[in-house]
Amino acid sequence: DAKTTQPPSMDCAEGRAANLPCNHSTISGNEYVYWYRQIHSQGPQYIIHGLKNNETNEMASLIITEDRKSSTLILPHATLRDTAVYYCIVRVVSWGKLQFGAGTQVVVTP
Amino acid sequence: NAGVMQNPRHLVRRRGQEARLRCSPMKGHSHVYWYRQLPEEGLKFMVYLQKENIIDESGMPKERFSAEFPKEGPSILRIQQVVRGDSAAYFCASSPEEGVRDGYTFGSGTRLTVV
Repeated sequence: DAKTTQPPSMDCAEGRAANLPCNHSTISGNEYVYWYRQIHSQGPQYIIHGLKNNETNEMASLIITEDRKSSTLILPHATLRDTAVYYCIVRVVSWGKLQFGAGTQVVVTP
Repeated sequence: NAGVMQNPRHLVRRRGQEARLRCSPMKGHSHVYWYRQLPEEGLKFMVYLQKENIIDESGMPKERFSAEFPKEGPSILRIQQVVRGDSAAYFCASSPEEGVRDGYTFGSGTRLTVV
């Protein structure tokens, strides 16, 4: 699975959009981009995934660049409950082990 | 449809005792994964199981740790002769069979404290 690079931390004001970047310059054509988050002391939570088209669900939007070397997770209206560590993971298949990096610590402030 | 169930939520063991952590996957999920998170550290993969088979145990410590996922019943992560360094949060996840692209579902974890 390709390596990903994320900023270690970012702050976001409550009610504003949070844009979380992820670089995956070595991604191959059949690898998907997955996003998870871990709220303090809880199990990780799946957010969204995509291959090359932009995706949206009830939690977030995923924007993947045309060359697929980077992506952005967008939380449209951040709330205090969105404070968590967000992980970007690139992988070919949907089963098998997940390799978690350090992720981005997002702190949403009032 | 209940999520991934882990129990106990908290487990305290004295050094040298055995710890048994249980995980019931989501209904219809045939793949189970165990991850460990040491204090102030990231999530580390331990083992991946399907019913009655260990598929990938590359993250399991070589000694004292074992895992099973029997035909009937929950998956069990077993730690023999626990030491203080085993204190951590242990998370279980499950996923459907191959070919389904959705993400994993994780349980709430078991916090093991070795005293």
